[in-house]
Amino acid sequence: AQSVSQHNHHVILSEAASLELGCNYSYGGTVNLFWYVQYPGQHLQLLLKYFSGDPLVKGIKGFEAEFIKSKFSFNLRKPSVQWSDTAEYFCAVNDLRTGTASKLTFGTGTRLQVTL
Amino acid sequence: DARVTQTPRHKVTEMGQEVTMRCQPILGHNTVFWYRQTMMQGLELLAYFRNRAPLDDSGMPKDRFSAEMPDATLATLKIQPSEPRDSAVYFCASGGSTDTQYFGPGTRLTVL
Repeated sequence: AQSVSQHNHHVILSEAASLELGCNYSYGGTVNLFWYVQYPGQHLQLLLKYFSGDPLVKGIKGFEAEFIKSKFSFNLRKPSVQWSDTAEYFCAVNDLRTGTASKLTFGTGTRLQVTL
Repeated sequence: DARVTQTPRHKVTEMGQEVTMRCQPILGHNTVFWYRQTMMQGLELLAYFRNRAPLDDSGMPKDRFSAEMPDATLATLKIQPSEPRDSAVYFCASGGSTDTQYFGPGTRLTVL
């Protein structure tokens, strides 16, 4: 079965610091990759996604992620975080091997706390 | 803009009672997912439907949970009887042809 690892469980940064959140998945075949964000008390919202093409993907709110197939990684980055980025971030993978293209496997999430 | 809606947003009930949660997917989306989120387990996929047919409900406790999609605009998740360990936030998500899932606001369930 597909698995997704987010090694950083809780990250605390000061405003304007740079951010990188790690995401690794277990299956080396064709995958679709997603990052979702969940602000406190809210539902999950799509930040960005990778299906094919340029491995550097730009999303909303200044976030980007890089797909490195050889490392099975899809790390999320932002050059300068804001207090409003405080949220939980989930990496998710669509394992096209299963033949049911829409089923996602989520990581356990990384809680980001941005201090003023 | 189009959104997934869920009702109720909050539900407090006593152990043993039936709970029904409802989801209206985005119009035109043919795939509906039910997830449960807890602090301990994170996000778990309970079940999902495509074109109203159940595709996978392996994540759902069969003895007390049931999921249905009576029509294209309504998905339901029922728990009968409910137990305190069912306390969680239940999210519905829908997807169309692009494999991107759009989440609803969730139902926060508390079973006393």
